[in-house]
Amino acid sequence: DSGVTQTPKHLITATGQRVTLRCSPRSGDLSVYWYQQSLDQGLQFLIHYYNGEERAKGNILERFSAQQFPDLHSELNLSSLELGDSALYFCASSPATSGRWEQYFGPGTRLTVT
Amino acid sequence: TQLLEQSPQFLSIQEGENLTVYCNSSSVFSSLQWYRQEPGEGPVLLVTVVTGGEVKKLKRLTFQFGDARKDSSLHITAAQPGDTGLYLCATPSGTALIFGKGTTLSVSS
Repeated sequence: DSGVTQTPKHLITATGQRVTLRCSPRSGDLSVYWYQQSLDQGLQFLIHYYNGEERAKGNILERFSAQQFPDLHSELNLSSLELGDSALYFCASSPATSGRWEQYFGPGTRLTVT
Repeated sequence: TQLLEQSPQFLSIQEGENLTVYCNSSSVFSSLQWYRQEPGEGPVLLVTVVTGGEVKKLKRLTFQFGDARKDSSLHITAAQPGDTGLYLCATPSGTALIFGKGTTLSVSS
């Protein structure tokens, strides 16, 4: 158990819909990262928040957005969903801002868009 | 953006065999992390290598970092079914990590 929790575990929705994925980091970790994992693209960085502020963006689509709340939990919002958005979405947390530090991954949310 | 190439993509072996998987880049790594991901779970860090030529051992797993810091290998001795999983290498890029696509290892008894 990494100490990072993600909900829901599975999500099935239709094209065009909007969903919210939730992540609670390890106690004390200020950084939250979101990653998308698909069979063809592998594990890809989406966005990084540190103590409530956006720190870096990766390959995140404009239809996707995220935020980190004062209690440090984070939400990833995916809208106008397309079939190609079906993937595993992971949240990871870290005590610091540098990628050199170990990141602790949650169990992921499997999103299926039909 | 630095690209990490992992090989082989898939590996299926019998219990007790030895194996090596590789992670390469055309650019120098500042540091390299190896993760293992089991089905239905998130990746878990195995080791971080920082210095060129560095060798780290974790039980039956031996990690090497190339002298030029452009490549790394993971060697497993006497593989067990519990070693089954996706092995990912990753390197820092700014505040985040760039991952290779991984090697899927299946060890059958």
